[in-house]
Amino acid sequence: ETGVTQTPRHLVMGMTNKKSLKCEQHLGHNAMYWYKQSAKKPLELMFVYSLEERVENNSVPSRFSPECPNSSHLFLHLHTLQPEDSALYLCASSFTPGRGAGREKLFFGSGTQLSVL
Amino acid sequence: AQKITQTQPGMFVQEKEAVTLDCTYDTSDPSYGLFWYKQPSSGEMIFLIYQGSYDQQNATEGRYSLNFQKARKSANLVISASQLGDSAMYFCAILDSNYQLIWGAGTKLIIKP
Repeated sequence: ETGVTQTPRHLVMGMTNKKSLKCEQHLGHNAMYWYKQSAKKPLELMFVYSLEERVENNSVPSRFSPECPNSSHLFLHLHTLQPEDSALYLCASSFTPGRGAGREKLFFGSGTQLSVL
Repeated sequence: AQKITQTQPGMFVQEKEAVTLDCTYDTSDPSYGLFWYKQPSSGEMIFLIYQGSYDQQNATEGRYSLNFQKARKSANLVISASQLGDSAMYFCAILDSNYQLIWGAGTKLIIKP
């Protein structure tokens, strides 16, 4: 069983739909992340939660809304998306970031491939 | 601001040969961490290796080793005895002063039988 599980693996939605992406980690980590990966672009950090509090929000449009009910679960709620939002959305977890010995090592899920029509 | 540069968009390598994937970085932080991840066609990102800026020795993890040259700000990944399953995208990343990873654009590695 993988340490970080994402569902669904694939999602096709219209611009007026509302959907949610789910992420669950079984590694005892206390920080969780949402990344967006568009074709031929570096990964873009969207949101970071550390100890269930949001600590980073990289100017992400409000049509993306994260939720972290506990340290093991992370959601990304989607509404009125645009076609340019089509991408691979990756969830990751780690120990709370801090210097030294690779504690910041991120473990990723398999991602949700999102297509917005 | 931190920056990662991967100059090889794609590489073809014969199976069983060693391969070096280039990564240079730019940072003003005295202390930082460098990571390599692998992303196969299935999409998941797989951690490969980590190098701390104050580590005295180059990191190694099985067939993966990191050729860390601090003065040149390079952290190249070396894969020994390449296998067909090594075909994937490879990403280099640096931990910035806000504890978030800054990613390179990646290198697509294809291993030929």
